[in-house]
Amino acid sequence: KAGVTQTPRYLIKTRGQQVTLSCSPISGHRSVSWYQQTPGQGLQFLFEYFSETQRNKGNFPGRFSGRQFSNSRSEMNVSTLELGDSALYLCASSLGGLRGQGANTGELFFGEGSRLTVL
Amino acid sequence: GQQLNQSPQSMFIQEGEDVSMNCTSSSIFNTWLWYKQDPGEGPVLLIALYKAGELTSNGRLTAQFGITRKDSFLNISASIPSDVGIYFCAGLNYGGSQGNLIFGKGTKLSVKP
Repeated sequence: KAGVTQTPRYLIKTRGQQVTLSCSPISGHRSVSWYQQTPGQGLQFLFEYFSETQRNKGNFPGRFSGRQFSNSRSEMNVSTLELGDSALYLCASSLGGLRGQGANTGELFFGEGSRLTVL
Repeated sequence: GQQLNQSPQSMFIQEGEDVSMNCTSSSIFNTWLWYKQDPGEGPVLLIALYKAGELTSNGRLTAQFGITRKDSFLNISASIPSDVGIYFCAGLNYGGSQGNLIFGKGTKLSVKP
């Protein structure tokens, strides 16, 4: 089955601009979560959407937002970009999501990421 | 906040050697997961652990969920060149209505053929 698709793969923005990234999960997966990966901070959890509702949120400012559509595709938006927002943004789809216990919980399938450079 | 201490940060080993890496935390986790990331790609799930004390294998990989629920280790036996990459541990803690997935900083594995 098709994997997780993220677009765009690469983009360059300037400070103050905003950016929207897209993620199409594996068919049948209703959970989509987003992560920021930087050399200094590693992988950090941004938020998780499940059936169009945000149900988990990491410790990021309100400039970072997201949404999920009825077909489970998700977008994340970063407004008023700062230099420190330069990172690889990874999306992951999951059957079990990040809540609950037992099989499938936390089992994430990642996309290849969107590499954002802020100048 | 919650943090995972993953060690070692990097390793250089000879092909055929066994590898061990671990993650520790001051917090309790309900689930431990191990991922591998190759350059230019997203992380790939290797092993998921759901119960304290659980020992699980996936081919040459073996991982354990520490009995205290604050640590986990990953062993790779008889390493081969394709084992090169960055290995991440992740702990999942869910309480109430929130699920929080924390990643370690990674162990970069380099293998000399």
